Amino acid sequence: GESVGLHLPTLSVQEGDNSIINCAYSNSASDYFIWYKQESGKGPQFIIDIRSNMDKRQGQRVTVLLNKTVKHLSLQIAATQPGDSAVYFCAESKAAGNKLTFGGGTRVLVKP
Amino acid sequence: EPEVTQTPSHQVTQMGQEVILRCVPISNHLYFYWYRQILGQKVEFLVSFYNNEISEKSEIFDDQFSVERPDGSNFTLKIRSTKLEDSAMYFCASTGQGNSPLHFGNGTRLTVT
Repeated sequence: GESVGLHLPTLSVQEGDNSIINCAYSNSASDYFIWYKQESGKGPQFIIDIRSNMDKRQGQRVTVLLNKTVKHLSLQIAATQPGDSAVYFCAESKAAGNKLTFGGGTRVLVKP
Repeated sequence: EPEVTQTPSHQVTQMGQEVILRCVPISNHLYFYWYRQILGQKVEFLVSFYNNEISEKSEIFDDQFSVERPDGSNFTLKIRSTKLEDSAMYFCASTGQGNSPLHFGNGTRLTVT
């Protein structure tokens, strides 16, 4: 069935270092992948998305990598800041705008 | 930046009561969604809504649930007879184009006692 899972439930990172959050997905029919950040008491906040016809996409301090061969998605955060402390979710769908299937989330803790 | 707003932020209700969760999507958006997140679990899709009708719904979205867009700005989720297991954070989301990222509200925490 469809499932999206995360390798690491908690990631501790030193302020200024780079963070890498990983995600595995199982539905080979998925065409759209997205990362959300969720801070305590708030809803998921869009970070970056990527379609299956790409393997890399960059935003401001963030990069998403997609490896369709092994069904793996990652989010890289450059120069991690205290404000990056949050839970990060990957999600996938057959197309943007279709229902999203979320992963379980990874908590990122930034140490000063 | 435009936001999806949800009210109330916290709703406490007794089992068997009806609740209505309210959302105001971003004003020019056309696609609307409800998701929920039980404490400590994944965010789960409930329903999507476009052009005044449900476009997709999950197995969770049974006959106890309904959605409505009563006017040009509000989008509501009604649970007719709440159960203890309905306790969760309920998130509303919207997007302007069918191929654009979803923007989520900050959620309504529903507690059923």
